[in-house]
Amino acid sequence: EAGVTQFPSHSVIEKGQTVTLRCDPISGHDNLYWYRRVMGKEIKFLLHFVKESKQDESGMPNNRFLAERTGGTYSTLKVQPAELEDSGVYFCASSHRTAEQYFGPGTRLTVT
Amino acid sequence: SQQGEEDPQALSIQEGENATMNCSYKTSINNLQWYRQNSGRGLVHLILIRSNEREKHSGRLRVTLDTSKKSSSLLITASRAADTASYFCATAGRSNDYKLSFGAGTTVTVRA
Repeated sequence: EAGVTQFPSHSVIEKGQTVTLRCDPISGHDNLYWYRRVMGKEIKFLLHFVKESKQDESGMPNNRFLAERTGGTYSTLKVQPAELEDSGVYFCASSHRTAEQYFGPGTRLTVT
Repeated sequence: SQQGEEDPQALSIQEGENATMNCSYKTSINNLQWYRQNSGRGLVHLILIRSNEREKHSGRLRVTLDTSKKSSSLLITASRAADTASYFCATAGRSNDYKLSFGAGTTVTVRA
C-alpha cells in the first residue's frame, strides 16, 4: 500500500511569490490533515478535511493560506504571497478514522 | 500553547541500552500517540494509547500513561543504531480527537 506522498520535497521561493504544495493521501482515507513545523517550534495543526469538506481550519495562520481538496482525493495548500515566517516543513497526514494518522515525508519550504 | 512537552530534549545512549523519554501534557485527552522521525523523513506512527489504558507494548516499545499526572513515557529496549531519530508525543483532545498537539520532541542518538 502506498503511503502519503507530498510534492515537492523542497521548495525555495522569494518573499512575495506563490507556492502550491500537494498531498496525495493513502487511497481510501477520507480524513486529510495539514500540519507545519516552523524552525525551532513544535509541529502545529493547520486544518482537517473530511473528503472534500473542511472540518476545521482553526490552525491556518492567516488568509494567505488556502487549502483545497477538490473531489476528496489529493489536497493542495497554497501560500500567496509567501512571507519569510512561512518557512518550515509542511506535513500532510491522512487517516481512515481519526485516531491513527499516517504522515507524509513533508515539504520543506524556504522563503528568502 | 504547547500541549505536549518531551523530556529530555536530547538523549545519547550506547547500542543495546534502553532509552526512556517522557511527555507531559496540559489538558484532558482522548488518546496519546508517539511518532518517530528519522532525519529528512516523515513522521512514522509508533503507538497509540487511549486515555483508559495505562500501558501498551509494541515490539521493543513500551508506553505508559498516567492521566492523573498528565504524563506518558516511551521506553525503547535494547536500542539499535536504527533507533536514532527524533521522537514526538502527540495528544488528541476529547472534543476534537483529530487535532494532534505535538511536543518539541526528544532527539535520540544511539552510538554503535
